[in-house]
Amino acid sequence: AQTVTQSQPEMSVQEAETVTLSCTYDTSESNYYLFWYKQPPSRQMILVIRQEAYKQQNATENRFSVNFQKAAKSFSLKISDSQLGDTAMYFCAKQVVYQGGKLIFGQGTELSVKP
Amino acid sequence: EPEVTQTPSHQVTQMGQEVILRCVPISNHLYFYWYRQILGQKVEFLVSFYNNEISEKSEIFDDQFSVERPDGSNFTLKIRSTKLEDSAMYFCASSAKLAGGPQETQYFGPGTRLLVL
Repeated sequence: AQTVTQSQPEMSVQEAETVTLSCTYDTSESNYYLFWYKQPPSRQMILVIRQEAYKQQNATENRFSVNFQKAAKSFSLKISDSQLGDTAMYFCAKQVVYQGGKLIFGQGTELSVKP
Repeated sequence: EPEVTQTPSHQVTQMGQEVILRCVPISNHLYFYWYRQILGQKVEFLVSFYNNEISEKSEIFDDQFSVERPDGSNFTLKIRSTKLEDSAMYFCASSAKLAGGPQETQYFGPGTRLLVL
């Protein structure tokens, strides 16, 4: 079975500091996408960042960057200069590249940014 | 910026009743999805839909569930006879298709919070 594992149920960080959220996954495919989604208290699912497995370069989006280790099947999210608005549940997800490919989500990490 | 919309935002129903959850995907998107999230748990895939037919469905998506694209804009999820355990947030998502390639990133709607009493 394909699984995505987030081993940190909760994390906290001081405002302006850096925090890293961990994610590992199982896969037998060579081509897939990885995502981090943010879910604030409103429960809206907001895309944070995306990584294509065939790309060696780690994706970055402003203060958000990933450390993609394909051989280790690891995909961590680094948030730099944490802001209060970053407080949310963060879900790691994997998508196999085929027609209609579903997202498989991890259990989530609840991040609290403290002033 | 285009976005996925869902109605209603909240729905309360009695066990055994039928509910229809509605979604309007982003207009040029071709892949449509339903996911659900039971409170405090992870997001689970229900079904994907492409070219007017189901592409894939999960074990959760049993005979009580159905999906439809009744016109060019709406995408609906019907639960025929709701159970207490159907109480959850239901998310619709859509994605575009790269020319000659696979689907693009999925964008989620705000969700419908369903409570079955």
